Amino acid sequence: EDKVVQSPLSLVVHEGDTVTLNCSYEVTNFRSLLWYKQEKKAPTFLFMLTSSGIEKKSGRLSSILDNKELFSILNITATQTGDSAVYLCVVTGNQFYFGTGTSLTVIP
Amino acid sequence: KAGVTQTPRYLIKTRGQQVTLSCSPISGHRSVSWYQQTPGQGLQFLFEYFSETQRNKGNFPGRFSGRQFSNSRSEMNVSTLELGDSALYLCASSFLQGAKNIQYFGAGTRLSVL
Repeated sequence: EDKVVQSPLSLVVHEGDTVTLNCSYEVTNFRSLLWYKQEKKAPTFLFMLTSSGIEKKSGRLSSILDNKELFSILNITATQTGDSAVYLCVVTGNQFYFGTGTSLTVIP
Repeated sequence: KAGVTQTPRYLIKTRGQQVTLSCSPISGHRSVSWYQQTPGQGLQFLFEYFSETQRNKGNFPGRFSGRQFSNSRSEMNVSTLELGDSALYLCASSFLQGAKNIQYFGAGTRLSVL
């Protein structure tokens, strides 16, 4: 059965901390892995990864994919309260498969 | 460019009723997917439409149906509503069908079934 598992389910950190969010998957006919950030509204796109070992960076956020070990990580450095959100991992195969998300809370 | 627009934003219905939700994709996007989001289950895929044809379908009962019009706008219908249908329904559009496409989400329709 195709599945995407994210960990941890929730995380509380202080501003300035660095966090690592994990996403492991078993998806038939893997094509890509996407990270989204969801606050109290629609998920917004962060990264798409298709090749193993390629790291994507955008400011304080970065992500890497290992499609041999079937996982990805999302790193956030120097966290800010505005980073508080649910981070969704989506793997595309024959359709889109979503993880349940990691809820990140950043305390001032 | 306008984003994905979903209407209505909030809806309250009673058991047994039916409901229709609407989604207007980003201009030029031909693929529209629908998802159900609940606290316990996360995002669950309902179906994907491309060029007015259903291309993929998730594991939902036949009470959930949809369609896509020639202008790529899509509607989702749920008949004989149950309490468990209470959820946030998200629509996402992308330029092409299927994977290796970034999906852009609407703000969702929050459905409450009483």
